[in-house]
Amino acid sequence: AQTVTQSQPEMSVQEAETVTLSCTYDTSENNYYLFWYKQPPSRQMILVIRQEAYKQQNATENRFSVNFQKAAKSFSLKISDSQLGDTAMYFCAFIIIQGAQKLVFGQGTRLTINP
Amino acid sequence: DAGITQSPRHKVTETGTPVTLRCHQTENHRYMYWYRQDPGHGLRLIHYSYGVKDTDKGEVSDGYSVSRSKTEDFLLTLESATSSQTSVYFCAITGQGNTEAFFGQGTRLTVV
Repeated sequence: AQTVTQSQPEMSVQEAETVTLSCTYDTSENNYYLFWYKQPPSRQMILVIRQEAYKQQNATENRFSVNFQKAAKSFSLKISDSQLGDTAMYFCAFIIIQGAQKLVFGQGTRLTINP
Repeated sequence: DAGITQSPRHKVTETGTPVTLRCHQTENHRYMYWYRQDPGHGLRLIHYSYGVKDTDKGEVSDGYSVSRSKTEDFLLTLESATSSQTSVYFCAITGQGNTEAFFGQGTRLTVV
């Protein structure tokens, strides 16, 4: 079974601080992609960052970076210099790159950035 | 933005009535998904499709059926709606290579 677990239902930090969101997953497959999606109050789903499992180098996108530990099946998101606009739900997800390609999400972490 | 639309955007229906939600894409993507979003549960997969007439169940498929008779449309049907199916429903699509999933705007369904 393919599962994603986000163990932090809610987090709250001050503006400009750094925050790390945790994600673990379970799969027996070897080829997959991992994602972090952001969902602001508008309900729109926005891709934050993507990691190919075959790449050892951690992905970065401006203030967003990941710590990908394939052996531990861990995929955490670090947000540096947090901004008020980062307040949102964050979802971790992965997809197997073969077969029926089921896209599976975690339970989400509600992140609040305080002024 | 990817061409993916859901209809209706909002619906209120009575317990026991059938309901069909539509997901329409203009991207010619092969894979389509239906999720429900509930507080504390994140996005849970209901059904997904990997081609025309090729569908499979997700983790919360009971009470739901789907159909995909053409590439661009993926229909989700609640045969007899129950209050536990009150939720926000999202459709998503991915293409070959799966570099990103694109989402519809969501449908808020209330079963009274």
